[in-house]
Amino acid sequence: NAGVTQTPKFQVLKTGQSMTLQCAQDMNHEYMSWYRQDPGMGLRLIHYSVGAGITDQGEVPNGYNVSRSTTEDFPLRLLSAAPSQTSVYFCASSRADYGYTFGSGTRLTVV
Amino acid sequence: EDQVTQSPEALRLQEGESSSLNCSYTVSGLRGLFWYRQDPGKGPEFLFTLYSAGEEKEKERLKATLTKKESFLHITAPKPEDSATYLCAVQAGTGRRALTFGSGTRLQVQP
Repeated sequence: NAGVTQTPKFQVLKTGQSMTLQCAQDMNHEYMSWYRQDPGMGLRLIHYSVGAGITDQGEVPNGYNVSRSTTEDFPLRLLSAAPSQTSVYFCASSRADYGYTFGSGTRLTVV
Repeated sequence: EDQVTQSPEALRLQEGESSSLNCSYTVSGLRGLFWYRQDPGKGPEFLFTLYSAGEEKEKERLKATLTKKESFLHITAPKPEDSATYLCAVQAGTGRRALTFGSGTRLQVQP
C-alpha cells in the first residue's frame, strides 16, 4: 500500500515552460487536493476534486490546471511557469469524513 | 471565508516542559478540525480529527481539545523527537471538502 505518490520530487523549470506534477493514490479515496506551501504562509489550496470527472478551484488556482479522469490520479499542470510558482507542492487524498493523507511533496524552482 | 490562526508561530521548550499550542478558527459549519505534524522536508502527517465542541483525543504525549472557537494541542513532558511544525486545519460542513490550514507552530524541544 503506497499511499499518495508524487513525482517528481524535485524540478527546476525556466520561466515560460510548462510541466505536469503527478499524483497517484492507491487507497480508493474520493477526495483529492493540491496545495502549495510557502514559508510563513502555510498550505494554500490550489485545486481539489470530490471524484472522477469533478474538479473545482481553491484559493490560488491561477496558472494551474487539473483534471481527474480516474479515481487514482490527479495531475497538476503548470501552463507557463513563473518565478512566483516556486514552492513546495503537496497532493493529498481522503475518504469522505476522514483526515487527508499527504504525499511527500514536489519541490519546484522556477528560474 | 474560512480562517485558521495558529499561535505562537514558534515555541522552544526544554525536555519535560509541558505547554499548549493554540488554533483559533472561523468556519461556516465545522465538519472537522484536524491536527497534523510536519517534519522538515516531508509531507504533513495526520494526528487527530475533532468533530464537536468538548471532544478530546490523545496520542502518547499529545492531547487535542476543541471548543466552538478554538482548539488546543497540549504537549505533556515533551521529548526532543516531538520537535516539528504542528499544523491545524478545518473542514467546512458545506461547500468544498478540502482543508483550510493555519500557518503552523514550529516547536523545538531541547534536551
